[in-house]
Amino acid sequence: SQQGEEDPQALSIQEGENATMNCSYKTSINNLQWYRQNSGRGLVHLILIRSNEREKHSGRLRVTLDTSKKSSSLLITASRAADTASYFCATHGFNKFYFGSGTKLNVKP
Amino acid sequence: DAGVTQSPTHLIKTRGQQVTLRCSPKSGHDTVSWYQQALGQGPQFIFQYYEEEERQRGNFPDRFSGHQFPNYSSELNVNALLLGDSALYLCASSPAGAYEQYFGPGTRLTVT
Repeated sequence: SQQGEEDPQALSIQEGENATMNCSYKTSINNLQWYRQNSGRGLVHLILIRSNEREKHSGRLRVTLDTSKKSSSLLITASRAADTASYFCATHGFNKFYFGSGTKLNVKP
Repeated sequence: DAGVTQSPTHLIKTRGQQVTLRCSPKSGHDTVSWYQQALGQGPQFIFQYYEEEERQRGNFPDRFSGHQFPNYSSELNVNALLLGDSALYLCASSPAGAYEQYFGPGTRLTVT
């Protein structure tokens, strides 16, 4: 399967701490994206990193991509209770999208 | 500007029945993708439509079919429903050539 896999499956932190989640995938990609999902609703796009980029920032988000290791990480700095959600990485290759099984983040106030 | 809309919100069907789910893309988007998300899992890519044609398909049986209309809205049809088809069905739209997808709130299908 080309599916990305997130690690850890669940993460519980205090408000103000940083949260790091990782994603590994199996085949070559055009780009990798991270999405957030609240309580089984629709997904919200967070950030996209192309295969020729190594790091990207957007507000409190920092994404890295290592194509040699086929892995990516998402760092959320200064987390807030509102960041509580499931986070998915999605790889795009050959006109198909593959989502991982997600990291469930719980930020305690 | 309305985002991606899906109908219905919830649906209960019996095994063997057929179901049609509907999606209206975000304004200006012409590409629609459908996903199945089982409880506790990530979304699984079903297929993508562009210019009223199925452009790409994931590993789903032929019981899953779709259609895109000239106004870019789309339908997902599932025939001969199985209990395992119970899931949240998500529609996502994007402009042609863009990778970022905008998701609708989903249709929760329960097969009994």
